[in-house]
Amino acid sequence: SQTIHQWPATLVQPVGSPLSLECTVEGTSNPNLYWYRQAAGRGLQLLFYSVGIGQISSEVPQNLSASRPQDRQFILSSKKLLLSDSGFYLCAWSASGFSYNEQFFGPGTRLTVL
Amino acid sequence: GIQVEQSPPDLILQEGANSTLRCNFSDSVNNLQWFHQNPWGQLINLFYIPSGTKQNGRLSATTVATERYSLLYISSSQTTDSGVYFCAVGAGGTSYGKLTFGQGTILTVHP
Repeated sequence: SQTIHQWPATLVQPVGSPLSLECTVEGTSNPNLYWYRQAAGRGLQLLFYSVGIGQISSEVPQNLSASRPQDRQFILSSKKLLLSDSGFYLCAWSASGFSYNEQFFGPGTRLTVL
Repeated sequence: GIQVEQSPPDLILQEGANSTLRCNFSDSVNNLQWFHQNPWGQLINLFYIPSGTKQNGRLSATTVATERYSLLYISSSQTTDSGVYFCAVGAGGTSYGKLTFGQGTILTVHP
């Protein structure tokens, strides 16, 4: 069966510091991968998605970037964190091939920028 | 882009009561999912239901794609049902499976 991991689970960082959040998926090949952010406990916003290694699409302009160095690894980064980057970050995957495939989420990373 | 509206925004129930949550969407979809977010933030897949009706224990869901809405039914609610329920939809074409989420319904079940 498929499993999705995220780390760290929680993170407290000062403003201006760098960020690296990691997501890995097990038990599937060539998944579609997604990064979402949830602010204030309501509604998730899609940040990035990837349909293959090195292929990243951004949904909203922001202080963050994403990379996919391996088939089942998705990384969210920032060079300098802002207060507004605080939130709950969730990684998700779906099977490749069809846009209507069911999506599954990881446990999330709670980021606080001070 | 596609708009998703959920109602009610908040719902308070006594244990054992039944409830109906609604999700309206503004355009044709080829993916509709219901999630339950637990107190630790984990999104738990409840239903994948772009059309039709499904049931899983005390929960059931119906999506009427032609009228652009979906309903989630919770029967004989329990305190463990508390949390936030999200509806999320995906369009076709080159959407690559991207989901648009509603703002959620916060359900509180009292013993």
